Amino acid sequence: KQEVTQIPAALSVPEGENLVLNCSFTDSAIYNLQWFRQDPGKGLTSLLLIQSSQREQTSGRLNASLDKSSGRSTLYIAASQPGDSATYLCAVPPINTGTASKLTFGTGTRLQVTL
Amino acid sequence: EAQVTQNPRYLITVTGKKLTVTCSQNMNHEYMSWYRQDPGLGLRQIYYSMNVEVTDKGDVPEGYKVSRKEKRNFPLILESPSPNQTSLYFCASTPLAGRQETQYFGPGTRLLVL
Repeated sequence: KQEVTQIPAALSVPEGENLVLNCSFTDSAIYNLQWFRQDPGKGLTSLLLIQSSQREQTSGRLNASLDKSSGRSTLYIAASQPGDSATYLCAVPPINTGTASKLTFGTGTRLQVTL
Repeated sequence: EAQVTQNPRYLITVTGKKLTVTCSQNMNHEYMSWYRQDPGLGLRQIYYSMNVEVTDKGDVPEGYKVSRKEKRNFPLILESPSPNQTSLYFCASTPLAGRQETQYFGPGTRLLVL
């Protein structure tokens, strides 16, 4: 059974710092890996989707990498801002579920960017 | 505006009183699913639907029912709620079932069962 772990569970950084969030998964047979952002009282917003054949994806100040063989992904946030404060979740659809739509989620990293 | 909507957003009920949480998407998506989110356990899938009249169990289906009579709607039914179903519930949809596309989430429904 696929297990997804995110470390650290919580992180506090001063504004302007670059930071890295980690995601690891036990079964490397995945369709893709997705990073989401969750704000309090709101749903999840998709940030990046990396196909299993890709090594990384970039969107603005965000860069996500994927190393399937080692079962790891990182989300790099450059020049952090207070508006980046949220919980960040990674999720993978394992191939053995038969569909790229069924996601297994990590428990998230709660990020706080302070002034 | 393309979105997934859920109602109600907040609900307090008592054990055994049947309830329905509605989910609707206006993007003509095929795939819809329900998740529950609990501290320390993350999001876990309850049920999913690949298309109209096609539903299947996720990882934690006990105590829940769903139906998919129309493409846009995917209600979650708790026939006899219990306190262990107190949780934050999310509905999600994706354009084509099985394709590698991102999922769109509703705003969540926070349920408290007394």
